[in-house]
Amino acid sequence: GESVGLHLPTLSVQEGDNSIINCAYSNSASDYFIWYKQESGKGPQFIIDIRSNMDKRQGQRVTVLLNKTVKHLSLQIAATQPGDSAVYFCAENLDSNYQLIWGAGTKLIIKP
Amino acid sequence: DAGVTQSPTHLIKTRGQQVTLRCSPKSGHDTVSWYQQALGQGPQFIFQYYEEEERQRGNFPDRFSGHQFPNYSSELNVNALLLGDSALYLCASSSRGPNSPLHFGNGTRLTVT
Repeated sequence: GESVGLHLPTLSVQEGDNSIINCAYSNSASDYFIWYKQESGKGPQFIIDIRSNMDKRQGQRVTVLLNKTVKHLSLQIAATQPGDSAVYFCAENLDSNYQLIWGAGTKLIIKP
Repeated sequence: DAGVTQSPTHLIKTRGQQVTLRCSPKSGHDTVSWYQQALGQGPQFIFQYYEEEERQRGNFPDRFSGHQFPNYSSELNVNALLLGDSALYLCASSSRGPNSPLHFGNGTRLTVT
């Protein structure tokens, strides 16, 4: 079936630098995308979402970019902090579908 | 404001046994979804409950069943446990509508021996 996947399983970033986490999706009919952060021993935490009628959305220190032409989603984290260490998941959803389809995740490691 | 709460946090069962996991949604949410997360993988959708009925179901066998109560809390039941059922079981709540962000609990870690 269609699925969401991630390019890099692990990303190491220097503290203070910007982080970019990428995600590819294969279902061109998906119209809603979400990024979640999961810390060890905890459930996924909502970060930011974007609908397919947008190509960019900004939150606090985070920006999500959506490129529907190449079916690519990215999460940018500005001024990465130690507390950003976690596994990041992208997920997609069809408007008529109540389930989220998740990728495998990218582990973000912050170097001091 | 309490978020999504799940119980128990950890559970050990033997093959063939049955298990019930519980979830209380975030205040103001009426929809509950259950996901299974294997180690190192993304969550897999089990099913979603709304108005006390199963609204949608993922690719899981009938051994997995659920219930939603009038107060919107929910249970996940798994019968005839298999070793492969060992995973983190996540409950998520949301308000009505398919594109409402899910809010997750910290999950129940189930180990089947």
